[in-house]
Amino acid sequence: GAGVSQSPRYKVAKRGQDVALRCDPISGHVSLFWYQQALGQGPEFLTYFQNEAQLDKSGLPSDRFFAERPEGSVSTLKIQRTQQEDSAVYLCASSSAGTDYEQYFGPGTRLTVT
Amino acid sequence: TQLLEQSPQFLSIQEGENLTVYCNSSSVFSSLQWYRQEPGEGPVLLVTVVTGGEVKKLKRLTFQFGDARKDSSLHITAAQPGDTGLYLCAGPHLFETGNTPLVFGKGTRLSVIA
Repeated sequence: GAGVSQSPRYKVAKRGQDVALRCDPISGHVSLFWYQQALGQGPEFLTYFQNEAQLDKSGLPSDRFFAERPEGSVSTLKIQRTQQEDSAVYLCASSSAGTDYEQYFGPGTRLTVT
Repeated sequence: TQLLEQSPQFLSIQEGENLTVYCNSSSVFSSLQWYRQEPGEGPVLLVTVVTGGEVKKLKRLTFQFGDARKDSSLHITAAQPGDTGLYLCAGPHLFETGNTPLVFGKGTRLSVIA
């Protein structure tokens, strides 16, 4: 398909496990964003990339969170030693150069930490 | 810290009624966007307003950007059950331009009953 895809769609992890969430942006989109959406809240910024460069990671809540986009396309958000407060929907969005702020979102990965 | 406050938080109305939801901030934004999010999906962009005082119409939806670029409203005329969803306003981080992270409000959850 032509949209942003994310996998897995649902992930249940036991506290302390590591998880990896994948985002496939729209082909050719330069910018890629990760957001965290807690239940009943709006999305909150985590980090973003322009091509393979991570330009801002100020929203990552702790050093247990790590994101990469090694070839400027697919991105992975990794959470180490998951905690219950990490339970949320993780949204990925991409945008192309020259389309100010028009971010296209994937369906999200719902992470539940038990 | 830039904050976007949305009101009301919840709204339940009958089909055919009109409604307005609000997005307010103490900060100036270079632009504001409105998204609609359905359960299990990512937000979908409805409109971007850029100029203070700007009004944009999208079928039965009317969006307005405040003169001072600190607030916006979304008015829906003759609401239909298909309008049900979470409406989010968002603006670029730190008055930046270009492809930058977004700051989101907490959203207004609208339910239109047939």
